[in-house]
Amino acid sequence: AQSVTQLDSQVPVFEEAPVELRCNYSSSVSVYLFWYVQYPNQGLQLLLKYLSGSTLVKGINGFEAEFNKSQTSFHLRKPSVHISDTAEYFCAVTPNTGFQKLVFGTGTRLLVSP
Amino acid sequence: DTEVTQTPKHLVMGMTNKKSLKCEQHMGHRAMYWYKQKAKKPPELMFVYSYEKLSINESVPSRFSPECPNSSLLNLHLHALQPEDSALYLCASSEQSLNTEAFFGQGTRLTVV
Repeated sequence: AQSVTQLDSQVPVFEEAPVELRCNYSSSVSVYLFWYVQYPNQGLQLLLKYLSGSTLVKGINGFEAEFNKSQTSFHLRKPSVHISDTAEYFCAVTPNTGFQKLVFGTGTRLLVSP
Repeated sequence: DTEVTQTPKHLVMGMTNKKSLKCEQHMGHRAMYWYKQKAKKPPELMFVYSYEKLSINESVPSRFSPECPNSSLLNLHLHALQPEDSALYLCASSEQSLNTEAFFGQGTRLTVV
């Protein structure tokens, strides 16, 4: 089974400041890792994914994440946030074989203020 | 077209009603999913369909009945729901052979009264 931990339920940050949202996972099998964003009353939008290869992954809207196998982490970063980045961010994992069965973390609310 | 379309966007139903949620995708994906998301919680997997066959049922109560009439459509039939079933229901699809990325719809906000 897989589990995902997002320790920060809420991260307040000022506009144009850098931000890091933390994600740690646990799994007995190899996994793929994802970050999704959810705006109020919306579905989920994929920000980026790690499948294999380079551990630094770049996504949409200036976000990037680094996969660290030894620390079982997949932290999300952005060097300069905008007001429009205010949203809920979910880290998720799925086994890298078979059906996609996404297991999500509890989410981190990013609050960007002027 | 990378869109998953869900209808209706909002639904209010009584506990004795029967209703259906619909999901459609035209990306040629052969795996489709239903997730349930309660307020302030992460999505939780309910069902997985692969090539129009139910492959995974995550111990969902029988008052939720999924159906996949063809490779583009996925329905969720609702009957005798409880107020605690009120949630955002999300549909997703992915390529079957590549366990890579799920595309999500905007969801149906269901309220059971």
